[in-house]
Amino acid sequence: GAVVSQHPSRVICKSGTSVKIECRSLDFQATTMFWYRQFPKQSLMLMATSNEGSKATYEQGVEKDKFLINHASLTLSTLTVTSAHPEDSSFYICSAPIAGAVNTEAFFGQGTRLTVV
Amino acid sequence: QKEVEQNSGPLSVPEGAIASLNCTYSDRGSQSFFWYRQYSGKSPELIMSIYSNGDKEDGRFTAQLNKASQYVSLLIRDSQPSDSATYLCAVYMDSNYQLIWGAGTKLIIKP
Repeated sequence: GAVVSQHPSRVICKSGTSVKIECRSLDFQATTMFWYRQFPKQSLMLMATSNEGSKATYEQGVEKDKFLINHASLTLSTLTVTSAHPEDSSFYICSAPIAGAVNTEAFFGQGTRLTVV
Repeated sequence: QKEVEQNSGPLSVPEGAIASLNCTYSDRGSQSFFWYRQYSGKSPELIMSIYSNGDKEDGRFTAQLNKASQYVSLLIRDSQPSDSATYLCAVYMDSNYQLIWGAGTKLIIKP
């Protein structure tokens, strides 16, 4: 089956620094990838839709200047959390659908646990 | 109104019994429905997909879809402690390849 690889799986950073998270589709091309954030005991919250070759689409309330998304190729999307603060500590997950199929399911990366101290 | 609704639980089921998880959705035009399982601290993993009315069975799992009533359910037979997790219902939106997620139901299987 399709595989989406995300790393790092865990990162601890100091407040004010930036963190980059990578999401790669390993055996298929993903023109679209989704970035989610999940706080403890809560469901997935869609942050933004990453589109290859164009600007990302951000959900309401998500700061695009803080969460920079780059989708430079058909197999790689990156999320950079800039000037991270403790409230940005969360579980970040990317997913990629296989476009073109009627019965499209999402394949998820392993997730990144971000802790800002 | 939430587009995909699930009871948050926790739902507690004795080992060996049938666990029944339910999900309702608001978009009548939805065609694709998915159940994901998520263990604590891990990403969701796909368990079942269903696209037509009726039942779909895969091992101990059965997905049921009723488009007229706009609900989809997941039955887990012979529940095992390893089935304890949060189960997420997702409905696919054709227009933007986006899955609309329920909040998830926490399932606890008691030995």
